[in-house]
Amino acid sequence: QSILTQPPSASGTPGQRVTISCSGSSSNIGNNYVYWYQQLPGTAPKLLIYRNNQRPSGVPDRFSGSKSGTSASLAISGLRSEDEADYYCAAWDDSLIGYVFGTGTKVTVL
Amino acid sequence: QITLKESGPTLVKPTQTLTLTCTFSGFSLTSSGVGVAWIRQPPGKALEWLALIYWDDDKRYSPSLKSRLTITKDTSKNQVVLTMTNMDPVDTATYYCAHRQNGYAAPFDPWGQGTLVTVSS
Repeated sequence: QSILTQPPSASGTPGQRVTISCSGSSSNIGNNYVYWYQQLPGTAPKLLIYRNNQRPSGVPDRFSGSKSGTSASLAISGLRSEDEADYYCAAWDDSLIGYVFGTGTKVTVL
Repeated sequence: QITLKESGPTLVKPTQTLTLTCTFSGFSLTSSGVGVAWIRQPPGKALEWLALIYWDDDKRYSPSLKSRLTITKDTSKNQVVLTMTNMDPVDTATYYCAHRQNGYAAPFDPWGQGTLVTVSS
């Protein structure tokens, strides 16, 4: 029951730039911060971006986040094989009074 | 270093109650603003937030599951417990607990390794 919509898949060749979108509404993305999590195969999710565009220490600057209105985006520049993973956006929802996650996007490095 | 680890049964029968424990280290759930959340992920599907408990015992639940969930904390043991009643096969999932940093709009970071719970008779 994801409320945030993401494309199921995205792909690129090494070195390319890939962008993942996350579409929500005024009650979540439109009025709150967006987070992005990376889930490598068989592992727990890891925080990638917080407060729309902030990177935790240790996250390469190849990863960047942005937000505009009720949508957000995650960009991966200089794509590397180790970036193959599932990516999820998340936000607080004022109407549900809870957190909502995106549908997830699987990134493949060709 | 903050670590969290989930524990509980790997198999439960339909209609039973699931009890999961998150044991953590590296932070205190008595520190202002800090919280622990539970999130689940059915096999091959997306993440779903379940519940969150704050340092002051304030609790938040997923509206769709609120009637079935209870989250509690034991600060002396550094544990957070999630109970889910009336389990159904659709509740089969990996259940994660995660640390919520203090501060406004803080993210979930880090997460535990997760524990797979299968609901089957």
